Amino acid sequence: EDKVVQSPLSLVVHEGDTVTLNCSYEVTNFRSLLWYKQEKKAPTFLFMLTSSGIEKKSGRLSSILDKKELFSILNITATQTGDSAIYLCAVEAGWTDKLIFGTGTRLQVFP
Amino acid sequence: DSGVTQTPKHLITATGQRVTLRCSPRSGDLSVYWYQQSLDQGLQFLIQYYNGEERAKGNILERFSAQQFPDLHSELNLSSLELGDSALYFCASSSRRSSGGWSDTQYFGPGTRLTVL
Repeated sequence: EDKVVQSPLSLVVHEGDTVTLNCSYEVTNFRSLLWYKQEKKAPTFLFMLTSSGIEKKSGRLSSILDKKELFSILNITATQTGDSAIYLCAVEAGWTDKLIFGTGTRLQVFP
Repeated sequence: DSGVTQTPKHLITATGQRVTLRCSPRSGDLSVYWYQQSLDQGLQFLIQYYNGEERAKGNILERFSAQQFPDLHSELNLSSLELGDSALYFCASSSRRSSGGWSDTQYFGPGTRLTVL
């Protein structure tokens, strides 16, 4: 059965800290891995990763994929209170278009 | 704002009832996906439509059904509601043209929160 596991489940940090969120997966016919940020409601798209070793970057956020070890990390540097959210990792696999989601990492950033 | 719209924002209803959730995809997107998010299950894929046709099914209950109309909006119908159906229901859309081909980002709507009392 396809599986996506995120760790840690929850993270509490102070503003300015750097955090690393992990996502590992076991799926058949991997196609892509996506990161989303969920604040109050809708998950908002952050990154899509399809190739190993190529870092994607957007401001203070960056992510990289390792297809050999079957994991991805999402880094957030110089965290701000506005980064507080649930970060979701999802994998697209097989021959359908559905996304398989992990349970998410809840990040809380305090001033 | 992702460009995906969902109505209503919130629904409160009783067990045994039937509700309809509505979704309008981003302009130009042909694929619509429905997901359910409950506290204990995380985000779970329910069903996908592509240009009016069912494309993929996830763990969707038989009491649930969906359709995509010629104008590409989609409706998710939930019937014989149970307490356990209380959840956030998300719609997402993408411009994907063929299953099994290139990957495409799914953009999520704001969700409909369903509360079954």
